[in-house]
Amino acid sequence: DAKTTQPNSMESNEEEPVHLPCNHSTISGTDYIHWYRQLPSQGPEYVIHGLTSNVNNRMASLAIAEDRKSSTLILHRATLRDAAVYYCILRANAGGTSYGKLTFGQGTILTVHP
Amino acid sequence: EPEVTQTPSHQVTQMGQEVILRCVPISNHLYFYWYRQILGQKVEFLVSFYNNEISEKSEIFDDQFSVERPDGSNFTLKIRSTKLEDSAMYFCASRRTGGEKLFFGSGTQLSVL
Repeated sequence: DAKTTQPNSMESNEEEPVHLPCNHSTISGTDYIHWYRQLPSQGPEYVIHGLTSNVNNRMASLAIAEDRKSSTLILHRATLRDAAVYYCILRANAGGTSYGKLTFGQGTILTVHP
Repeated sequence: EPEVTQTPSHQVTQMGQEVILRCVPISNHLYFYWYRQILGQKVEFLVSFYNNEISEKSEIFDDQFSVERPDGSNFTLKIRSTKLEDSAMYFCASRRTGGEKLFFGSGTQLSVL
């Protein structure tokens, strides 16, 4: 699986936007960019995914660079509940041999200050 | 939103004993996964399961591990003879056909004494 690089930690204040970066310079043309998060003592939780175009959902936005070598997860207004480890993961197309497996890295620990 | 359910939430066992961790995936999902997370470490893939057989497994998933879908709703992970290093949080996940999103359960904390 192609590798991603994320900062170990980031901090934010409540109600401010947060931009979580991810570098994936070895991404292949069919890799999806996934973001999951893990709140303390819970299982990973899907946040958003994309392939080439920017994506929005109720939780976050995903901005994908034109060359797809990097992406940014945007939380528009951070809340205390958003404090978690955020994982940027490349997932090979499910039509291949990966069967949808996710390979987690260390992620970015997001701290949100009141 | 539908949920993946895992039982028990905590399991304590003696080294060498067999344990079975249970999961109920989301009802219309056909792809199933087990992951584990040792305390303070990253989430690690163990195995994926589709069409009643293992589709992929990691190096961690050795002969001591097995998975089964004994009926139409449950998905189990068995560890035949537990070791101290098997102590971890075990997460089950499922995915529907054609979907990108994995749904994870809240995990079973396994402690091997």
